[in-house]
Amino acid sequence: EPEVTQTPSHQVTQMGQEVILRCVPISNHLYFYWYRQILGQKVEFLVSFYNNEISEKSEIFDDQFSVERPDGSNFTLKIRSTKLEDSAMYFCASRRYVDTQYFGPGTRLTVL
Amino acid sequence: KQEVTQIPAALSVPEGENLVLNCSFTDSAIYNLQWFRQDPGKGLTSLLLIQSSQREQTSGRLNASLDKSSGRSTLYIAASQPGDSATYLCAAVYGGATNKLIFGTGTLLAVQP
Repeated sequence: EPEVTQTPSHQVTQMGQEVILRCVPISNHLYFYWYRQILGQKVEFLVSFYNNEISEKSEIFDDQFSVERPDGSNFTLKIRSTKLEDSAMYFCASRRYVDTQYFGPGTRLTVL
Repeated sequence: KQEVTQIPAALSVPEGENLVLNCSFTDSAIYNLQWFRQDPGKGLTSLLLIQSSQREQTSGRLNASLDKSSGRSTLYIAASQPGDSATYLCAAVYGGATNKLIFGTGTLLAVQP
């Protein structure tokens, strides 16, 4: 059964460093998302991406964040200069049409 | 503001018991609602999706209902098993171009053998 994959599973970085989180959505899906979950808190929407552009972003998704779909299969989230408060689990999700969103296993980001 | 809440925050039941998890949403103009399961440190597994035009959906021992007028959804788990132990999340979609999910805080379920 097709699934969303994410790499790495755990990323440790120093404050101020850039990180890139990678996702491979399900191949025939059209809509792509990033969410994050700070430990003990709700899962929060960050950004949605469709037709090679951002369709919506939350207040959290400031200028330090960017997304890209460089090659038609990968979907990346870049954080330019990480802060301590960026430590969280980051989930990628995808869907085909107006239906279920499928989530990847997540990348745990730890900023020291 | 569109918010989703889940009560109780935690629930412990003996194996074999039927149980109900509750989800409330503030805006009744919901487009659809998804129920997820999350195991510790893991991703989100989709369990059921209910469209706004539907009243309920069933998958195996799981049955989810949706009542837009009261702003509530319930997830019914029949004959619970220890393997059902996990956090259960509900998430509402309010339509628009993006269909972003707005999540509740979850209910941590423990099924005691």
